[in-house]
Amino acid sequence: EDQVTQSPEALRLQEGESSSLNCSYTVSGLRGLFWYRQDPGKGPEFLFTLYSAGEEKEKERLKATLTKKESFLHITAPKPEDSATYLCAVRGGLGGATNKLIFGTGTLLAVQP
Amino acid sequence: DTGVSQNPRHKITKRGQNVTFRCDPISEHNRLYWYRQTLGQGPEFLTYFQNEAQLEKSRLLSDRFSAERPKGSFSTLEIQRTEQGDSAMYLCASSLQGTGSPLHFGNGTRLTVT
Repeated sequence: EDQVTQSPEALRLQEGESSSLNCSYTVSGLRGLFWYRQDPGKGPEFLFTLYSAGEEKEKERLKATLTKKESFLHITAPKPEDSATYLCAVRGGLGGATNKLIFGTGTLLAVQP
Repeated sequence: DTGVSQNPRHKITKRGQNVTFRCDPISEHNRLYWYRQTLGQGPEFLTYFQNEAQLEKSRLLSDRFSAERPKGSFSTLEIQRTEQGDSAMYLCASSLQGTGSPLHFGNGTRLTVT
């Protein structure tokens, strides 16, 4: 069964203190790994899609990387406005049997000024 | 692109009542998804449509839940005989067809069953 595990559950950083969030996955035929940001009371907001090991994507202070078993979301010099829950999801299924995304439980990031 | 729109934003109902939620996807997206999210958890897949066809349903989805997308545009999710365990945020998302197409989510309908 496809599965996504995120760590840590919660992370508190000082403004400017860089760190990484981890997403470990088990999937039968990866057809995309997705990172989302979710603010309280809102729906998840799409950040990145990664497809194959070695791929990297960047957006402002965020960089996502992918290996065959896990993905990292690196946050460089974070600001308080980066505080949110970060969700990782995978789309699996050999032969396109499914198009749903399977989500992890997220990492709650708090950046203090 | 006005984004995915969900109504109502909040719904409070008594146990045993039926409720219906509406989702209007991004206009050019032919795939529409329903997810449920409880506090501290990630979104949990319920069902998805491609155009008007319901192509996949979660095995966890009780027969009290039904979803429709009659003309391949907006969708409704109905919960019959609500239970307290149905209290959650119900999220709708839409996407283009294609393996790598990300889901774009609405801001959800928060259901509270008393």
